[in-house]
Amino acid sequence: QKEVEQNSGPLSVPEGAIASLNCTYSDRGSQSFFWYRQYSGKSPELIMFIYSNGDKEDGRFTAQLNKASQYVSLLIRDSQPSDSATYLCAVETDKLIFGTGTRLQVFP
Amino acid sequence: SAVISQKPSRDICQRGTSLTIQCQVDSQVTMMFWYRQQPGQSLTLIATANQGSEATYESGFVIDKFPISRPNLTFSTLTVSNMSPEDSSIYLCSVEKGQGGRTYGYTFGSGTRLTVV
Repeated sequence: QKEVEQNSGPLSVPEGAIASLNCTYSDRGSQSFFWYRQYSGKSPELIMFIYSNGDKEDGRFTAQLNKASQYVSLLIRDSQPSDSATYLCAVETDKLIFGTGTRLQVFP
Repeated sequence: SAVISQKPSRDICQRGTSLTIQCQVDSQVTMMFWYRQQPGQSLTLIATANQGSEATYESGFVIDKFPISRPNLTFSTLTVSNMSPEDSSIYLCSVEKGQGGRTYGYTFGSGTRLTVV
């Protein structure tokens, strides 16, 4: 059973802080890794993807991948209340498998 | 990236009936994916729809319950048959964003919120 695991949260951070979201996966053959943001009642929106070990930065977002540890994370710098959402980690091998998501709450 | 139009956006249906959900993509795509998101849960892949062949269903999902059509490269339907309250979920279609054989993620339709009473 291929699995993707995330802490369900909620993760509460103050406005302006760094939010750190973590994800582990079971299939060592996984090649592509994605972070989606899902606002309540909305469909998931892709915010980051990463293929290689290391860090990938895009604006306030940084994705980190460690294939040896089967670990992928998302850092959100200068967190804003508008970042409050559920963040889904997704891992692709022969299909896309989603984690259960981490609910992030950014309070003013 | 592809834009997906999904409808209906929501529906309330009687148990025992069927609902067909439509997804229209603004560009040709080889594969379309159908997901279910039960309340408070993550997304679960139901099936992959390829044009010109039978859909491929994931474990726990069967064609009699979730028949899929894929008449061309821009359109697909998912039918939820003989519905029960346990089928109350959000159903989403998705296509791959890719170029040159590389995947850059997946785009989702806006979802269909189904309530079975």
